Amino acid sequence: AQSVTQLGSHVSVSEGALVLLRCNYSSSVPPYLFWYVQYPNQGLQLLLKYTTGATLVKGINGFEAEFKKSETSFHLTKPSAHMSDAAEYFCAVIGGTSYGKLTFGQGTILTVHP
Amino acid sequence: DGGITQSPKYLFRKEGQNVTLSCEQNLNHDAMYWYRQDPGQGLRLIYYSQIVNDFQKGDIAEGYSVSREKKESFPLTVTSAQKNPTAFYLCASSTAMTRRTDTQYFGPGTRLTVL
Repeated sequence: AQSVTQLGSHVSVSEGALVLLRCNYSSSVPPYLFWYVQYPNQGLQLLLKYTTGATLVKGINGFEAEFKKSETSFHLTKPSAHMSDAAEYFCAVIGGTSYGKLTFGQGTILTVHP
Repeated sequence: DGGITQSPKYLFRKEGQNVTLSCEQNLNHDAMYWYRQDPGQGLRLIYYSQIVNDFQKGDIAEGYSVSREKKESFPLTVTSAQKNPTAFYLCASSTAMTRRTDTQYFGPGTRLTVL
């Protein structure tokens, strides 16, 4: 079985500051990892995903994430926060034989202050 | 434009009533999914379907039922047996469930409130 832990249910940053959202996973086999963003009362939108190959993955809206196997982490970063980044972010994993069955973290709400 | 539609956006139900949430996709995807979202709990899988006329229980299927009579449609019924149905329900689809790399695309969601 696989699981995802997002450290910090709420993260607050100033506009222009670095955004760092933490995600740790457990999986018995090499995982496939995803970050989704959700704006209020909307569905989820894929930011980026890691499958195989390059461990630094670039996504939409200037976000990127690095897969670190030794740390079982897939933290999401953005160098400079924008007010429009305020949303809830979910890390998710597909591991093992659970094809297509995403396991989600609890979510992190990002607040951006002017 | 291709995408996933869910209706209604808001739904109010009295206790003891069954309600059906609609999910339609025109992405030609084989696999479809229903998730429930509660604050601070992430998304939990209710049911999924890999192909027409086939579906499987997810992690929290009790009190829910689904059908998959058409490739494009995967309605979810919340029955009176569901003890705490107030939540945000999200439908998703993907090309197939045979590849772990496939991205799931999500609809806009339905917010169900039990009065």
